Amino acid sequence: DTGVSQDPRHKITKRGQNVTFRCDPISEHNRLYWYRQTLGQGPEFLTYFQNEAQLEKSRLLSDRFSAERPKGSFSTLEIQRTEQGDSAMYLCASSRPLAGGRDGYTFGSGTRLTVV
Amino acid sequence: AQTVTQSQPEMSVQEAETVTLSCTYDTSESDYYLFWYKQPPSRQMILVIRQEAYKQQNATENRFSVNFQKAAKSFSLKISDSQLGDAAMYFCAFSNSGYALNFGKGTSLLVTP
Repeated sequence: DTGVSQDPRHKITKRGQNVTFRCDPISEHNRLYWYRQTLGQGPEFLTYFQNEAQLEKSRLLSDRFSAERPKGSFSTLEIQRTEQGDSAMYLCASSRPLAGGRDGYTFGSGTRLTVV
Repeated sequence: AQTVTQSQPEMSVQEAETVTLSCTYDTSESDYYLFWYKQPPSRQMILVIRQEAYKQQNATENRFSVNFQKAAKSFSLKISDSQLGDAAMYFCAFSNSGYALNFGKGTSLLVTP
């Protein structure tokens, strides 16, 4: 297993368009997280899955955002009607239970979204 | 809500020297986990070190060690024998019972030859 994979690495979209990002976690990790990171800030939690169940959502996750993990494996994050304020790096992470054990949380390289 | 504060936006250290990055946090929980993550310019977050709150012994990983003061809610990272490859953003993070991580704003570490 090569770690957490995210696709695409970069996405430029026009305001008002919909975008979808994909995350493939480490196969034996049952927990998957989405974060958003803006320039000069630490990542901010968006949502979290345990297997296919979405267990927690941040108030940052407006109605325009939706995340799925249909079979408890990969996950998608969709942003509808994008706004310039959505421009950020979107990070995916996965972990085992109990804060990931000794391995902690493993992050992907992120998808950088630019809304023009 | 839990908050994580990193009061040093930037730090600088010479190669082979030691540097300490500060982190404080606020929580009413007694069982939690603390982390330091490194984010090099390539942007992928890498786990540096992890500490369980119930363990009094400070975690160490090679040149990296922490000073965990539970009563003071302080969790500093010490990097010994600093190397050029240590230059990165360092984020302190907190997790309550293994759920989502709350991050601080980060400390940018510059390593000079």
